Amino acid sequence: DTGVSQNPRHKITKRGQNVTFRCDPISEHNRLYWYRQTLGQGPEFLTYFQNEAQLEKSRLLSDRFSAERPKGSFSTLEIQRTEQGDSAMYLCASSLVAGGANDGYTFGSGTRLTVV
Amino acid sequence: DQQVKQNSPSLSVQEGRISILNCDYTNSMFDYFLWYKKYPAEGPTFLISISSIKDKNEDGRFTVFLNKSAKHLSLHIVPSQPGDSAVYFCAASGGRTSGTYKYIFGTGTRLKVLA
Repeated sequence: DTGVSQNPRHKITKRGQNVTFRCDPISEHNRLYWYRQTLGQGPEFLTYFQNEAQLEKSRLLSDRFSAERPKGSFSTLEIQRTEQGDSAMYLCASSLVAGGANDGYTFGSGTRLTVV
Repeated sequence: DQQVKQNSPSLSVQEGRISILNCDYTNSMFDYFLWYKKYPAEGPTFLISISSIKDKNEDGRFTVFLNKSAKHLSLHIVPSQPGDSAVYFCAASGGRTSGTYKYIFGTGTRLKVLA
């Protein structure tokens, strides 16, 4: 297992276009998280899945954002009608939560989105 | 509202000396805390954790201290090495109480270790 994989690493898009990012978590991890990080800030929580169920969404996640995790494996994050304010690093992380135990996250390298 | 705060945006330390990075939190329901290190163009990497039932956890050169009454934690790096130069984030979760295991991150402290 090579850890959490995110594709693409970089994406430049024109304002108004749709973009989709993919995250492949560590295979035995049951939880998957999406975060967004802008310059000078820490990662901000967007949403998370336990297996295929999306259990929580931040109010940062406007209706232009949608995330899926079909079959509880990889996840996609789609941004529709991108705006310049969407420019950020989008981080995916996974973890194993079982029986109340709480492991830390393993993060991917992120997808850097630039909206021009 | 910023529930996890790192009030020092940057810190410079001489190689071989101790680095102390601080973090404050406001939510008394947080019961698990992590420190992450981040290099440019990479995702954060896990460094060390501490549960609220402890007040100290050590791993090699890294020690995390938790003061629950003050809602304060700190990361000590001894001795500091140039390779430790990175941005350090603390993160907190209320996993046992909230069940979400969602981590809230601070804004980070950029550590520079001078050779």
